[in-house]
Amino acid sequence: EAQVTQNPRYLITVTGKKLTVTCSQNMNHEYMSWYRQDPGLGLRQIYYSMNVEVTDKGDVPEGYKVSRKEKRNFPLILESPSPNQTSLYFCASSSRGYQPQHFGDGTRLSIL
Amino acid sequence: KNEVEQSPQNLTAQEGEFITINCSYSVGISALHWLQQHPGGGIVSLFMLSSGKKKHGRLIATINIQEKHSSLHITASHPRDSAVYICAVRNPNFGNEKLTFGTGTRLTIIP
Repeated sequence: EAQVTQNPRYLITVTGKKLTVTCSQNMNHEYMSWYRQDPGLGLRQIYYSMNVEVTDKGDVPEGYKVSRKEKRNFPLILESPSPNQTSLYFCASSSRGYQPQHFGDGTRLSIL
Repeated sequence: KNEVEQSPQNLTAQEGEFITINCSYSVGISALHWLQQHPGGGIVSLFMLSSGKKKHGRLIATINIQEKHSSLHITASHPRDSAVYICAVRNPNFGNEKLTFGTGTRLTIIP
């Protein structure tokens, strides 16, 4: 089954404790992206990747890191999480050339 | 002003009613997406369109490029259609396939 898998689905942690949210897709998609969703603001792009070893900032990259060492994986790293990073996070992937994006099920992060 | 505006923000209707959700955007686009987000949080892509009209089952999406406007219609609405519907546009000036999202329309269908 074609899918984008995020882990964990839920995480409650404390300020400053490094965490990684994993994202993996099995569709051989070149493009992957991370979004965060906050009430009243909609989804906003954090980082994206056009292909292996090619990443760039989205609209709200501060406090986040990403890497794309393999085509299927695009982890989101919070080196020193803060409460303002409490949010619902989505990973998405697509082929190039104006194709629909496939979304993961979301990761709800709470930073205390 | 947001680049993508949706209306209404909330919509409650009786089962069987014809539903229309509107999306207006202020930037040039290469494509417009309609997405559905269920209460559990997952997001599903319903349509991607750059011109005209698309239909899938009871759902119809239209776009008017000149007016920078799109509508999502649901015919014979059903309680299982209750969800948040999100409009998103792909801006051709960015190389990254980036989507800019509206804040969503929360639809509730009452049996």
